[in-house]
Amino acid sequence: QVQLQESGPGLVKPSETLSLTCTVSGYSISSGYYWGWIRQPPGKGLEWIGSIYHSGSTYYNPSLKSRVTISVDTSKNQFSLKLSSVTAADTAVYYCARDGVSSGYYTSWGQGTLVTVSS
Amino acid sequence: EIVLTQSPATLSLSPGERATLSCRASQSVSSYLAWYQQKPGQAPRLLIYDVSNRATGIPARFSGSGSGTDFTLTISSLEPEDFAVYYCQQRSNWPYTFGQGTKLEIK
Repeated sequence: QVQLQESGPGLVKPSETLSLTCTVSGYSISSGYYWGWIRQPPGKGLEWIGSIYHSGSTYYNPSLKSRVTISVDTSKNQFSLKLSSVTAADTAVYYCARDGVSSGYYTSWGQGTLVTVSS
Repeated sequence: EIVLTQSPATLSLSPGERATLSCRASQSVSSYLAWYQQKPGQAPRLLIYDVSNRATGIPARFSGSGSGTDFTLTISSLEPEDFAVYYCQQRSNWPYTFGQGTKLEIK
């Protein structure tokens, strides 16, 4: 059974770059599926950030596209999120997830990690 | 971007009652719509995909219907563990989008 675990700093200063890694176990990223990042500001709804295919093709939310980079490291079975020039509006729980039954629906999720943007 | 609007924002019902949650899309998403359940402090869980298909392990009391722009999630008889927030999500067009959620609370 696939398991995902987010890791990275819980506090990032304004204007800096948020960097998170999702470590996958129980499944090889290089075997397939889309791998995505979704975030949820405290007390609010879900926002799709972007996805990466195992081959490296990426798809980003246009609202964040200029600031987002998602990459994959198949040798470590990890994929990563970088979000530049962060502001307080980027404070959220960040989830990594894998799609499953159909491309674009997320069947497996990490537990989420809270990232706070504050000086 | 496709906007998904869920209603009501909050639904207050008692265990054993029937729950009907709605999701309306700003343009057709064909049959590419899913429903998720989220409990406090937990990641969302996929319940229904492609409008009406239950995900693995989801009880039969959860069902989905609709097409095009109007969709419904029905919980036939509420169990105590069903009180949570529910989100719809479309995968018809990039970017994927979620509705703002419906909170199902105990009356």
